[in-house]
This record gives sequence, structure tokens and C-alpha cells, in this order.
Amino acid sequence: QSALTQPASVSGSPGQSITISCTGTSSDVGSYNLVSWYQQHPGKAPKLLIYDVSKWPSGVSNRFSGSKSGNTASLTISGLQAEDEADYYCCSYSGSSAPYVFGTGTKVTVL
Amino acid sequence: EVQLVESGGGLVQPGGSLRLSCAASGFTFTNYEMTWVRQAPGEGLQWVSYISNSGSTIYYTDSVKGRFTISRDNARNSLYLHMNSLRAGDTAIYYCATYGLGSRYYFNYWGQGTLVTVSS
Repeated sequence: QSALTQPASVSGSPGQSITISCTGTSSDVGSYNLVSWYQQHPGKAPKLLIYDVSKWPSGVSNRFSGSKSGNTASLTISGLQAEDEADYYCCSYSGSSAPYVFGTGTKVTVL
Repeated sequence: EVQLVESGGGLVQPGGSLRLSCAASGFTFTNYEMTWVRQAPGEGLQWVSYISNSGSTIYYTDSVKGRFTISRDNARNSLYLHMNSLRAGDTAIYYCATYGLGSRYYFNYWGQGTLVTVSS
């Protein structure tokens, strides 16, 4: 099972919006509305941001939003803040015997 | 407050064994399916293993099948990962995590991780 493809880095200025893409295949992202997104600050555990493509867990800011079109899912961060500087990972259910595939990860830099 | 605390990591020689533990508190452990996810140094996240609420259903990623065993003790609110025949490629931070309540399609709560280093 190959990792989902994400851009290595994305940057933006405070207050701007940025979008991170997550490209899979018709066997994972394209087949299921079961994409989740995680934020990881250096030396910390990942934190769930979005699940089921576009749902927010309790306590997560609605500045983070998710969407999907075909085999590509996207995470948009609106009103970029310094604290958003972190690594971001997507993950999709794939229904196979190894059913969870993560993305390659994207480093977000706040300029 | 939900807490997941991993332990048992360390330095082990290739071919050796380790048992990781994850102590859960602040939630009803039996309500949640559980997982192990690992992250090699400087690399991305990789799903390792899944266990159902009762422990009756288990899955592994292909690279650890036959070498790793996931288990849970619901009476002790604990999750385990027995790792045998360890290889250099198993070097990583190992995180335990819960799935969503009633959903095994995302990872909700995460521990802080425990580092496993396989080296001679």
C-alpha cells in the first residue's frame, strides 16, 4: 500500500489561507469518505483535526476545514496563525488487509 | 482527561524482542478500538496494528505480520505490542491511540509515544 501524496511544504503569511492536498487512488481516498487529518508539532504526538473528510472533533478550531474531490482530499487552514506551524498528515481508510494509509506529510511554515 | 501513556521502549539488538505497554485512563477503555502507529526518525506516520474492543479482531501492516502481536487487557485498561525478530527498519517512535468512539476510521486520542531503537 503506497503512501498518499502530499506536498512536502506549504507556506503562508499570518491571516492568509492555505490548502494542503492529499492524493490517493480509487482504492482509498476515492472509494471512501473516510479521510482524516492530523497536526503534529515538533517532538509532540499527532492531534486529530478532521475526520470523515470534513467533520471536526470537539475542541478543534473551525479555521481547519476538509474536503474531497475524486482521489484527492484537501485541508484548508484559514486565518493562518503562528501556532499553525507544524507538520500535517492525511490518512485514508483503504478497506484492504492493511486498511489505513497515511500521507507523506506536509510542513507548514508561517512566514 | 483522556490519557494514554506508553512505556517499554529502548535500545535492542537486531533479532531481539520488546514489549510495549500503553496505560489508558480518563475514559471507558472497553468502548474503544485501539491501534499502534509508528514514526521512524524524521519520517512520516505508519499504521502498525489494530485491535477491536474485545480483542477478538486484529490486523497488522504487512511488514510486521508474524513478528508483532497486539493484545489488550481490559481489566487493566492496557494495550500491548509484543515485538519479536526486530529489525533496524522497526526503529521508530511507537504511539498508541484510540479510534473514534464507534468508528474505526480515524485516530482520536494519542499517547506521547515511546522510542524503539534497533541497533547493534
